[in-house]
Amino acid sequence: GAGVSQSPSNKVTEKGKDVELRCDPISGHTALYWYRQSLGQGLEFLIYFQGNSAPDKSGLPSDRFSAERTGGSVSTLTIQRTQQEDSAVYLCASSFRRGEKLFFGSGTQLSVL
Amino acid sequence: GENVEQHPSTLSVQEGDSAVIKCTYSDSASNYFPWYKQELGKRPQLIIDIRSNVGEKKDQRIAVTLNKTAKHFSLHITETQPEDSAVYFCAASIRGGSQGNLIFGKGTKLSVKP
Repeated sequence: GAGVSQSPSNKVTEKGKDVELRCDPISGHTALYWYRQSLGQGLEFLIYFQGNSAPDKSGLPSDRFSAERTGGSVSTLTIQRTQQEDSAVYLCASSFRRGEKLFFGSGTQLSVL
Repeated sequence: GENVEQHPSTLSVQEGDSAVIKCTYSDSASNYFPWYKQELGKRPQLIIDIRSNVGEKKDQRIAVTLNKTAKHFSLHITETQPEDSAVYFCAASIRGGSQGNLIFGKGTKLSVKP
């Protein structure tokens, strides 16, 4: 596709369940980022992938959060044992060059009941 | 760690007036400064960026200025229109590779009143 694609666009889950969020970056983009955005707040960095290098996981808020990127393309963010405070929009972005001209997906709105 | 401070957090202007948003950064090695616009319920989108080898860049009604000595950069929007209402995020590149080499400010909510 022409842009960064995220799915699902909305996810409602019950507290304690696991969820998987998917990001399909722009073809050829080696850098991939995940951010979390709570209502009315800024962009909270979660994790960054660059090519085949080890990811920068410094922003993951707890060990319930994990992410992987397969084949240097599609990425999945997994949240285990979801809590109500996990409710937010999860944004994925990709770029051709690290740190420059990020293209964002439309996000996944996660609601934990 | 490195950070980017953005001011003001909210800004309200009358249609046709100018709006200025300012950011300061801490990493003296920062050399790339993008601005993103996020309309309500939409994704952030890059609207303008500047590199450290220039002091100013313009694109129609928007411009960005950079003062490397003082380590601050600003977004200027002239002749504001209601469709300029959005949250604006500044960012600065950082060395060392952390956070994907990019640190964002906390955002400025701009409201343009018709």
